[in-house]
Amino acid sequence: DGGITQSPKYLFRKEGQNVTLSCEQNLNHDAMYWYRQDPGQGLRLIYYSQIVNDFQKGDIAEGYSVSREKKESFPLTVTSAQKNPTAFYLCASSIDQQGSYEQYFGPGTRLTVT
Amino acid sequence: AQKVTQAQTEISVVEKEDVTLDCVYETRDTTYYLFWYKQPPSGELVFLIRRNSFDEQNEISGRYSWNFQKSTSSFNFTITASQVVDSAVYFCALSGRSSNTGKLIFGQGTTLQVKP
Repeated sequence: DGGITQSPKYLFRKEGQNVTLSCEQNLNHDAMYWYRQDPGQGLRLIYYSQIVNDFQKGDIAEGYSVSREKKESFPLTVTSAQKNPTAFYLCASSIDQQGSYEQYFGPGTRLTVT
Repeated sequence: AQKVTQAQTEISVVEKEDVTLDCVYETRDTTYYLFWYKQPPSGELVFLIRRNSFDEQNEISGRYSWNFQKSTSSFNFTITASQVVDSAVYFCALSGRSSNTGKLIFGQGTTLQVKP
């Protein structure tokens, strides 16, 4: 089945630790995105990548880092510099780099930092 | 600036009622795309529909229908004869061609509760 996988579904970390969230897609999509969702709010863009080995900051990139070494993979690292890391993180991909087509989302990772 | 407003935070209906979810958008682009997504309790966003700015035809898919009106910058979503399985958070989103990034601007979402 084609789709996007994110792991793990739930993640718990102590404050001060970096943590990496996995995102893999087998849809052969060029564009990939990371969003953050806080309770009762919409999604906000953290980082995006339109092609392998290239990525750009979104609206709330501070405290996060990404890499795009392979077309299928776009991992997100939440660093200790992120002040409020507890949130629901969603990865998405799209066949189109310019927003003409829909994005498909993974099941999300719920990160809790204490 | 681009913005999406979903003024209805929560809606509660009884099964079989019709319900309309409102979406108002702002953009300076002449070419843009509008989307609706459903987020059930499991958390994954499910794509429902895409509309481009040049196509104002209304669309119907089963119990779902969408009304796109450029004159009022609205893209409303109606569920006819609602069912308990329709309970979810619904997001309206906008993508403007000028950004050239594919970035989606999301509304705050409307939580729909359908009671049996």
